[in-house]
Amino acid sequence: DAGVTQSPTHLIKTRGQHVTLRCSPISGHKSVSWYQQVLGQGPQFIFQYYEKEERGRGNFPDRFSARQFPNYSSELNVNALLLGDSALYLCASSSSRGYGYTFGSGTRLTVV
Amino acid sequence: AQSVSQHNHHVILSEAASLELGCNYSYGGTVNLFWYVQYPGQHLQLLLKYFSGDPLVKGIKGFEAEFIKSKFSFNLRKPSVQWSDTAEYFCAVNANSGNTGKLIFGQGTTLQVKP
Repeated sequence: DAGVTQSPTHLIKTRGQHVTLRCSPISGHKSVSWYQQVLGQGPQFIFQYYEKEERGRGNFPDRFSARQFPNYSSELNVNALLLGDSALYLCASSSSRGYGYTFGSGTRLTVV
Repeated sequence: AQSVSQHNHHVILSEAASLELGCNYSYGGTVNLFWYVQYPGQHLQLLLKYFSGDPLVKGIKGFEAEFIKSKFSFNLRKPSVQWSDTAEYFCAVNANSGNTGKLIFGQGTTLQVKP
């Protein structure tokens, strides 16, 4: 069985640009969450989607947005990139909202 | 606001030593508790989880954790560590409010095991 897959694995963007990160959950999982992990810190919750509806939003600016598609895959979009957005972005999927999450390997975003 | 605190930022042990990593959370309601491990260059992996029932939870690779509700704690233990346990360990809490499945992570503990 494929785990949670994220793409791309790495990317470099310039300040002010826009980025789209993608996530495919484990087959059968309907919940997808996004986290930002800055070096030396624990992951910080950005969004959760369940059955294609936003079910939670963390303390991130409106430059961050996400959506979930009918096949339960998800995209995280970040506009007007700042240097401080450089981080590892993690996607996690779950069969329900609170009972165990499987994480992908993440997308390493570097903003220069 | 909910928060998770991991007491030790960096722990260095010799092989065969016993391990205990502290985790405390702040939330007055029902919680689900998790320990994740991140080996160098790898993704977060679930070590163990507690939802309800026996407060002593056994996970993979010989790890266990004890939920003490009165102390709001969920400490991770292993009787005898190996060099391969070198990794970053994260405690996480999901407040079982039913509305969102967000996990709140601690800042992590780096474990270095010397051979």
